[in-house]
Amino acid sequence: DIQMTQSPSTLSASVGDRVTITCRASQSISSWLAWYQQKPGKAPKLLIYKASSLESGVPSRFSGSGSGTEFTLTISSLQPDDFATYYCQQYHTDATFGQGTKVEIK
Amino acid sequence: EVQLVESGGGLVQPGGSLRLSCAASGFTFSSYWMHWVRQAPGKGLVWVSRIRPDGSTTNYADSVKGRFTISRDNAKNTLYLQMNSLRAEDTAVFYCARGQANGASYFDYWGQGILVTVSS
Repeated sequence: DIQMTQSPSTLSASVGDRVTITCRASQSISSWLAWYQQKPGKAPKLLIYKASSLESGVPSRFSGSGSGTEFTLTISSLQPDDFATYYCQQYHTDATFGQGTKVEIK
Repeated sequence: EVQLVESGGGLVQPGGSLRLSCAASGFTFSSYWMHWVRQAPGKGLVWVSRIRPDGSTTNYADSVKGRFTISRDNAKNTLYLQMNSLRAEDTAVFYCARGQANGASYFDYWGQGILVTVSS
């Protein structure tokens, strides 16, 4: 099974900050990686697929990069609506999620 | 507008059974892989199962293999998850999610989720 490890688990930031979340795969997954945002009591929302492709309707301040085993999600200028938990997910073999990164207000 | 609406959740005793349904609308249901993903209270997301557009292929996470069965009725635009031999650790919010027509297992639409509680 492919394991996904996110870091950090929690991130404290302020509005306007540049935020980066890292996701590592236990083996190469090429670019078969997605990123989701989840707010409490809500379903996850797709942000990025194929490592760097922005889902339609997602603000351009979100970007993804990486391939192989190392990936990043970057929020260029954190907005109040962005405080949430973020998950990476590989879909190279079945599907596996990272444990999540909570972005909280500093 | 794409909509996925789960139903059938609730409280069940350990060892019991439950069948979840997911009614789909707003897209050609029969063209897409469909998935179930769950989330235990306060925990992360866990993929559970997927089914091919024509229903001919199914896959499961090891934790539910042999106990859960995914199926679909394309005439009714409905996805199902039959859950047997339920355990306390199956307690979670279950989401149905749309995969991609080409088989890629990332999820662009999700239902609102339905809570399954396994407890005596």
